Parts: sequence; C-alpha cells; structure tokens
Amino acid sequence: DVVMTQSPLSLPVTLGQPASISCRSSQSLVYSDGNTYLNWFQQRPGQSPRRLIFKVSSRDSGVPDRFSGSGSGTDFTLKISMVEAEDVGVYYCMQGSHWPYTFGQGTKLETK
Amino acid sequence: EVQLVESGGGLVQPGGSLRLSCAASGFTLSNFWMSWVRQAPGKGLECVATIKQDGSEKYYVDSVKGRFSISRDNAKNSLYLQMNSLRADDTAMYYCARGNHLGYWGQGNMVTVSS
Repeated sequence: DVVMTQSPLSLPVTLGQPASISCRSSQSLVYSDGNTYLNWFQQRPGQSPRRLIFKVSSRDSGVPDRFSGSGSGTDFTLKISMVEAEDVGVYYCMQGSHWPYTFGQGTKLETK
Repeated sequence: EVQLVESGGGLVQPGGSLRLSCAASGFTLSNFWMSWVRQAPGKGLECVATIKQDGSEKYYVDSVKGRFSISRDNAKNSLYLQMNSLRADDTAMYYCARGNHLGYWGQGNMVTVSS
C-alpha cells in the first residue's frame, strides 16, 4: 500500500499568520491517465471531513482562496496564507491513484 | 444541495452483522462512484470500500475483504455496506462519501463491536 507521511503532526499557528503542511507518498501518485490524485481534507472538531483540494491544486467549491495546494510526484504541500479561527482542526492528505486509497496520519492545526 | 445520510449503525457483538445504508439526494447517484470511509475513535481515516456507478467494479481494503460487501441501488438513491464477522477493530464512525475521490461526505454513523 502507498504510505502517506505528513509533517508536522501538530501545528500551532498565530491567527493571521501562514501555515504549511507537507505530505509525502511512498511512490509516485501520477496515475495512468496523467493526473495526480492527491487530495486534502479538513476535519473540524466534531464534524465530518470536508474535501478542500483535489488533484493537487484544484480548490473545491466554497473553499476560501487562502487555501492552496501544490506539488508533484511524491511531494505535496497544503498552504494557508493567513490562518483564521475557523481553520482549527485536523488536515489529512489522501492519495487516490493506487487502491487502496490511503490517508496521511493527520496534522492538527491549533492556534497559539 | 448534495446530502448523504447514513443509518443502520449501533452496538453489535463480535462475530455479528450489520448493514449500513446511505441515502443520497441532491445529485444523480448513478453518475458517481461511491465510497465508505471509517474512522476509529480518536484515529485517522481509512477508505474501506468503493463501487463504480453501475456496481460492476468494487474494491475493498484488505482488512475487510471477505467480510464486508458494498452495493448500491441507483433507483432508490441508496448505497449499502453489509458487514459480517465483525471484530472489535471494526469499531468506528462510518462515513458514506460521493465519488472515489470523496468530494462530499455524510455525517457518519457509529458502529461499536463489543461484548
């Protein structure tokens, strides 16, 4: 199975400051159709996960533009340009290129 | 508005069975792959099973192969997960999600396996 490794696992951030989460895969996520199926999810406390980013860098509908995704191959990043209070929660990367689809361990973003 | 509503969870003894259902609305179910994802208490996420639009392809994570079965009824706008031979480590919140890339999620349904 593809192993997804996130860092850091805990991310204390001052409101209004940027944040960045890294996600690395144990093998390339480039699928046979040429797409890279790397997604990012946010799970706020007590809520279901919500997809923020699909195919590395495409934002889902309704996701604020302070969230951005980048990367290629095996190395990916989620960035939040200016953290707001509503961004507190756990962030997961997930690869959808090789079954079984697998998630990273999660990064807990909290405010300082 | 896309809505996914899970039901059928609860407390079951080890070795028992449960059938989860997911009622879909706000979109045409037959246009999408559908998936089940679970989250053990305080833990991360695991994609358990996924099924193609017409049910012709189904994939399972190794830990549930031979015990769980995913199915769908597009005419009833419903997705199902039949869970047999349940074990304590199947205890989790089970989410129904649209697509094999999980674009929308339900609120989840708790399954507890305990004697």
